[in-house]
Amino acid sequence: QVQLVQSGAEVKKPGSSVKVSCKASGGTFSRNAFSWVRQAPGQGLEWMGWIIPIFGTTKYAQKFQGRFTITADESSSTAYMDLSSLRSEDTAVYYCASRFGVAGTEAFDPWGQGTLVTVSS
Amino acid sequence: QSVLTQPPSVSGAPGQRVTISCTGSSSNIGAGYDVHWYQQLPGTAPKLLISANSNRPSGVPDRFSGSKSGTSASLAITGLQAEDEADYYCQSYDYSLSGVVFGGGTKLTVL
Repeated sequence: QVQLVQSGAEVKKPGSSVKVSCKASGGTFSRNAFSWVRQAPGQGLEWMGWIIPIFGTTKYAQKFQGRFTITADESSSTAYMDLSSLRSEDTAVYYCASRFGVAGTEAFDPWGQGTLVTVSS
Repeated sequence: QSVLTQPPSVSGAPGQRVTISCTGSSSNIGAGYDVHWYQQLPGTAPKLLISANSNRPSGVPDRFSGSKSGTSASLAITGLQAEDEADYYCQSYDYSLSGVVFGGGTKLTVL
C-alpha cells in the first residue's frame, strides 16, 4: 500500500504563498489519486481538492478555487499543494491522502502525517 | 457549519456500546452517496475506519460497524475500550456543492 510523507512545518506572512509536498512510496504513483484536506486548530476536517496524476485532472472545493493549486510530479512520485494570498484563517494542519473510488464514492486512505502551516505577521 | 451534522460529543463506560450519528440531506447521503468514517486519535492523522457505509478495512476491529438509512448514517462501537477515545468524522459527497463533505466531528470520551 502507498505511504505518504509530507514536508515540514511552515511559517508564512499574510499575503504570501506556501507550497507543501507529499511524497508517495510503495505504490504506483500515477495510478493513485491524491487529495488535500486541512484542519484548523481545534476544528474539523475540510476537503480542499484532489488530483489524478495519470490524467493531470484536478478538482477543487468551491471555497478554494482561485488561490489553491494541486500539482504532481510523476518523476519524483510527489504531489504538491500551493495556497496563495495567505491569511490568518489559513493557519491549519494540511493533510494529503490517497483517494480511492470514483467521484461520489471516494474515500481517503492512507493519510500523510500532516504539515502545520502557520500564517502570522 | 458543516454540511453533515454530528453530535459534538458522546461518552460511554468501558465495555458499553455507543453510536455516533451523521445527518445529511437529499443532496448528499439522501442522494445515495456513500458514507465513510474516520478515526483521529489525539495528535495524529485521520485513519479510515469504515468505507462505503459499512465496510471495515483490513485491521479494523469488528467492534466498529457502520450503517446508512435515508439521509443519515451511524457508526456503532461495541465493547468500548480506552483506546477508542478519539475524534470521529463522517464523510460523503454532495452534488450541489460538487465536492466532498465532512461532518463536524464527534469527540468520544471513554469514562
